[in-house]
Amino acid sequence: GAVVSQHPSRVICKSGTSVKIECRSLDFQATTMFWYRQFPKQSLMLMATSNEGSKATYEQGVEKDKFLINHASLTLSTLTVTSAHPEDSSFYICSARDRDREGTDTQYFGPGTRLTVL
Amino acid sequence: QKEVEQNSGPLSVPEGAIASLNCTYSDRGSQSFFWYRQYSGKSPELIMSIYSNGDKEDGRFTAQLNKASQYVSLLIRDSQPSDSATYLCAVNSWGNNRLAFGKGNQVVVIP
Repeated sequence: GAVVSQHPSRVICKSGTSVKIECRSLDFQATTMFWYRQFPKQSLMLMATSNEGSKATYEQGVEKDKFLINHASLTLSTLTVTSAHPEDSSFYICSARDRDREGTDTQYFGPGTRLTVL
Repeated sequence: QKEVEQNSGPLSVPEGAIASLNCTYSDRGSQSFFWYRQYSGKSPELIMSIYSNGDKEDGRFTAQLNKASQYVSLLIRDSQPSDSATYLCAVNSWGNNRLAFGKGNQVVVIP
């Protein structure tokens, strides 16, 4: 159980275009999902917390108008990188929070999306 | 002080040996503790979670938690080349959505 999928796994786009990444929890409902970015040989960096039915909470320094997050259902969150530029090239990873009956949360990660902006 | 610290550098262990990883955290209110494994170019994969003081074993992995000393460790017994990866320690506090991650420890198992 606790499977999270991401689509696409890899995308190459031209500078100035927008790219949408989907994150789905396949076998559980996730009221909260998270979006991370990871540059080569660096740590995971939390970009934003996505809450179902409400606005996302962005980390300091992350432009909310550039990284649009929508969490329209309990199993789907999307991240849209608008007007992408080469410096946005990175590995984008989502995770979904699964809460058990005792109220303990566990985050399960999707396989990631590698974005290359030319 | 960082929330979660993993200070050890890359760890090289011979195949079949025990790999030992340590992690300390600063928030005494932390309730949930996790170890994730991340292969190069891949996303993190949950391998262990622990919530109570003491040891928790799962196959070749043992997580150890000491809340009084604010540390959590991971032991990998009978290390295999397939265990070569970066291991991330993550900590969550009650009522806090976010996981705080350490920088990770790279483990290299030498055949």
